[in-house]
Amino acid sequence: KQEVTQIPAALSVPEGENLVLNCSFTDSAIYNLQWFRQDPGKGLTSLLLIQSSQREQTSGRLNASLDKSSGRSTLYIAASQPGDSATYLCAVYGGATNKLIFGTGTLLAVQP
Amino acid sequence: GAGVSQSPSNKVTEKGKDVELRCDPISGHTALYWYRQSLGQGLEFLIYFQGNSAPDKSGLPSDRFSAERTGGSVSTLTIQRTQQEDSAVYLCASSFKGANSGNTIYFGEGSWLTVV
Repeated sequence: KQEVTQIPAALSVPEGENLVLNCSFTDSAIYNLQWFRQDPGKGLTSLLLIQSSQREQTSGRLNASLDKSSGRSTLYIAASQPGDSATYLCAVYGGATNKLIFGTGTLLAVQP
Repeated sequence: GAGVSQSPSNKVTEKGKDVELRCDPISGHTALYWYRQSLGQGLEFLIYFQGNSAPDKSGLPSDRFSAERTGGSVSTLTIQRTQQEDSAVYLCASSFKGANSGNTIYFGEGSWLTVV
């Protein structure tokens, strides 16, 4: 059974800092991994999708890496801003099911 | 519309009543998902529709829960005889083909259900 873990559960940083969010998964037989952002009271917004054959994806200040063999992904946020404050979720798709399995998220607060 | 649309956005219902939640996916998206997010919890998979294939219902928590997708587009999630533990945000998502095709999944803003 696929299990997805995110560390840390919560993180508070001053504005301008670079930061890394971690995601680990137990079953490396995945098709892809996605990072999402969820603002309070809102749905999820997809940030980056990494195929199993890829090592990383970049979008603006965001960079996501994938090490499938070790079951790990990181989301790197450069020069953080207060507007980055949200819950960040990773999710993996793969195996014999059609389920996108989510981690429990990291609650990020960027202090101005 | 441009995104995944869900209705109602908020619903308060009495215990024991039935509720219907609606999802209108992005036009052209063949894959549709329902997830549930309880307060302080992660996202729990409920059901997955892909084209004309039989849906994957493996995440439905009990036989009080059912979902339909008519004409390959709009989906309705029905909860019968609601219980207080059903209180959660019900999120719908869609993608062009299934997630294993490497397509981004787009979520609606959810239907917030409170059972009193």
